[in-house]
Amino acid sequence: DIQMAQSPSSLSASVGDRVSVTCRASQDISNSLAWYQQTPGKAPRLLLYAASRLPSGVPPRFSGSGSGTEFTLTISSLQPEDYASYYCQQYYSTPETFGQGTKLEIK
Amino acid sequence: QLVQSGAEVKKPGASVKLSCKASGFTFTKYYLHWVRQAPGEGLEWVGIINLSGGATSYAQKFKGRVTMTRDTSTSTVYMELRSLKSEDTAVYYCARKSNAFDIWGQGTKVTVSS
Repeated sequence: DIQMAQSPSSLSASVGDRVSVTCRASQDISNSLAWYQQTPGKAPRLLLYAASRLPSGVPPRFSGSGSGTEFTLTISSLQPEDYASYYCQQYYSTPETFGQGTKLEIK
Repeated sequence: QLVQSGAEVKKPGASVKLSCKASGFTFTKYYLHWVRQAPGEGLEWVGIINLSGGATSYAQKFKGRVTMTRDTSTSTVYMELRSLKSEDTAVYYCARKSNAFDIWGQGTKVTVSS
């Protein structure tokens, strides 16, 4: 199975800050990497796929980069609605494993 | 969209069968996954079903206890989990895979308690 190591596990930041979350795969997954946002009590929401592509409706302050084994999610200017948990996921092969998650909290 | 069945409370050793009804897209063109989330924990992949042919693949830890099926006449997917343990207490999500998991159900809470 491909292991996904996500860091940090938690992060405190202020509105307007630029923040980044990193995800490392245990083997090459090309660009088969997605990021999800989850708020308490809600289903996850797809933020990015193919490492850097934004689905329709996702604000452009979210961006992704990387390929192979190292990936980064960046939020360019934090908004109040961005305080949530974030998960990376590889969909290169089954089982389609997730990172442990990053909880983004208000500073 | 994907609409899941309601919350369930089961005793250890029992079985539960969850449903996920799809609408708004061509059912047989996609794969559908099940993902679970224990209280306060992260996301755990359970398995996948091909909505066209019905082929399935399950995470190793669930093999022998889980069965995923689909009914193309009603565009509904089912997941049955047997021999329930307290550790199976979680919210179970179905999710369509297109560009990654682009549509999610609202989740079904399963509580296993004696």
